[in-house]
Amino acid sequence: SQQGEEDPQALSIQEGENATMNCSYKTSINNLQWYRQNSGRGLVHLILIRSNEREKHSGRLRVTLDTSKKSSSLLITASRAADTASYFCATDANWGKLQFGAGTQVVVTP
Amino acid sequence: DGGITQSPKYLFRKEGQNVTLSCEQNLNHDAMYWYRQDPGQGLRLIYYSQIVNDFQKGDIAEGYSVSREKKESFPLTVTSAQKNPTAFYLCASSHPYGGTDTQYFGPGTRLTVL
Repeated sequence: SQQGEEDPQALSIQEGENATMNCSYKTSINNLQWYRQNSGRGLVHLILIRSNEREKHSGRLRVTLDTSKKSSSLLITASRAADTASYFCATDANWGKLQFGAGTQVVVTP
Repeated sequence: DGGITQSPKYLFRKEGQNVTLSCEQNLNHDAMYWYRQDPGQGLRLIYYSQIVNDFQKGDIAEGYSVSREKKESFPLTVTSAQKNPTAFYLCASSHPYGGTDTQYFGPGTRLTVL
């Protein structure tokens, strides 16, 4: 079963704009991770936020976590064409056994 | 170069045949995982192994088998009992302890059953 669910399913923006996607989950977690997948490729880890953290930054990425609402958001600022990819959240409730959502497909047009 | 390799990239098989997908890592990771991805969907866990000579079923293990005889290798066999095997298969590895379970993924194998 999929624990995390991303919203929206798809997102189309222009270069320079910000992209925000959300992830909701159902059970308590140890940490939540965001991954990126380019078409037909493996996943690349972007950022991990622990259950006792509320916000984390990495370059143009900003992740928030609200454990009371069981939700997380990923913000990509000043998007580029190279950010075109699918983005997945994954929850870790069982020390390493990740549950992935269905992903948000992001298209950034020049 | 450190990383995870999967081979082959594309695999075709006839119905009724077993096929083995290779996954090798040189990251010295203890844990390894196999996932299945169907179009427009997230990843579903097939099997995982936290240590050599030990592995556990994931959410969709039926029709699949694995072995973990070496730390570096975690091959997946898709058997003829798997009713709908056409999918994209991803292997990953991680350090399983400490709560920082970032997983590192291979490039994937796309299996098509003809």
